[in-house]
This record gives sequence, C-alpha cells and structure tokens, in this order.
Amino acid sequence: QKEVEQNSGPLSVPEGAIASLNCTYSDRGSQSFFWYRQYSGKSPELIMFIYSNGDKEDGRFTAQLNKASQYVSLLIRDSQPSDSATYLCAVTGPSGYSTLTFGKGTMLLVSP
Amino acid sequence: GAVVSQHPSWVICKSGTSVKIECRSLDFQATTMFWYRQFPKQSLMLMATSNEGSKATYEQGVEKDKFLINHASLTLSTLTVTSAHPEDSSFYICSAQGLTNTGELFFGEGSRLTVL
Repeated sequence: QKEVEQNSGPLSVPEGAIASLNCTYSDRGSQSFFWYRQYSGKSPELIMFIYSNGDKEDGRFTAQLNKASQYVSLLIRDSQPSDSATYLCAVTGPSGYSTLTFGKGTMLLVSP
Repeated sequence: GAVVSQHPSWVICKSGTSVKIECRSLDFQATTMFWYRQFPKQSLMLMATSNEGSKATYEQGVEKDKFLINHASLTLSTLTVTSAHPEDSSFYICSAQGLTNTGELFFGEGSRLTVL
C-alpha cells in the first residue's frame, strides 16, 4: 500500500525566511510528485510538480526530488504571511494516470 | 490551467434527504474524475474514482449505495449523497485528471455539506 508521510507541523517561520517542507513516500515506482497548497476551508491548489531527480524552481518555490531516498521537498523563499496554509504532498504510481496518494499535509505558519 | 467547477459550494439539508453535487471540467475533457471527502483538520480521503461511461470504483469503506456517482459525459460527474445524516457533513471535493502523462489533478472548489 502506497504511503506518503509528512510532518503535520505546524511549521512556524518568520516573514522573509525560507520554509522547508518535507515528504517521504513508500512506493519506489512512483513517477510524479506534486505539491498542493490548501487554505482553510478551500480546495487544494497546485503549486508545482516534479518528476525528475534534482531541483525545479518556479518563482519563490523550489521542489527537490531524490528518488533514491524516496524524498521530495518544497522550499519557499522569502516566506510571506499569505503563504500560511497546509501544504499537501501527493504522489502517483508507476503509471502517470494512476490515482494520487496524498500525505496528511504540513501546516505552515508565517509570522509577520 | 484547466478549470474544474463544482456546484453547489455550500449546501444544508435535513437528515434523510439526498443531495447532488456536480463537478464539471470546463475547458478540457476528463475521462477520469475523483471524489474526495475531507473532515476538519484531516487530510483528503479518496472516496471513489469515476470513469466516463462506466461504474465508479469505490475505496474500501465507502458505501456505493449511499454515495452514488454518475459520470455520464467527459465533462460532468455527479455525486449524490443519499439519505444524508449528520455524520455525512463534510467538505466534498472533486478533481479531474488532465490529459498529460504526469498525473496532475485539477480540483473543483469543493462543496461543504451540512446535514441537520
């Protein structure tokens, strides 16, 4: 059974700092990895996805993937109070069309 | 990006009644849609996978006779909560898979159901 593990937090960082969110997964055959942001009472919104080892940058966000360690992370530079939300890590199986398995999410709190 | 619309956003109903929630992909065809349920401060729980033109696949522990899913077209899937009870009160979210091979999901806005 596929599992995706995240620290529930909350992770507290001051405004302007780098927030580092981590995720591990159990299915070594997983192909695609996603980070979603979910504000309280809202549905998840995609931040970015990654499927190759290494780093992928998009604005203030950087996703890092290490398939050998079965580890994916999200870095948020210059954190803003508006980044305060729950961040969900999601993983697909060997086929790109398979169901996403979500972690329980990490709550991030950015203080002004 | 792809847009998934969900309706209604909020619904309150009496115990014992049925509620239908619609999920539409607005600018793409979604052969597969997923229905999730999320209780307060909990993670997303997959309820079922809906494939156009065929019966939905339900996750273990989800009553298929209580949560009726219909995926009659490539742009519309519906979830009907039959004989709703207070314990069915939750945030129901649909998502549709894009046509790329990365497995990316696009989420609807969610529907918050309160059963009195």
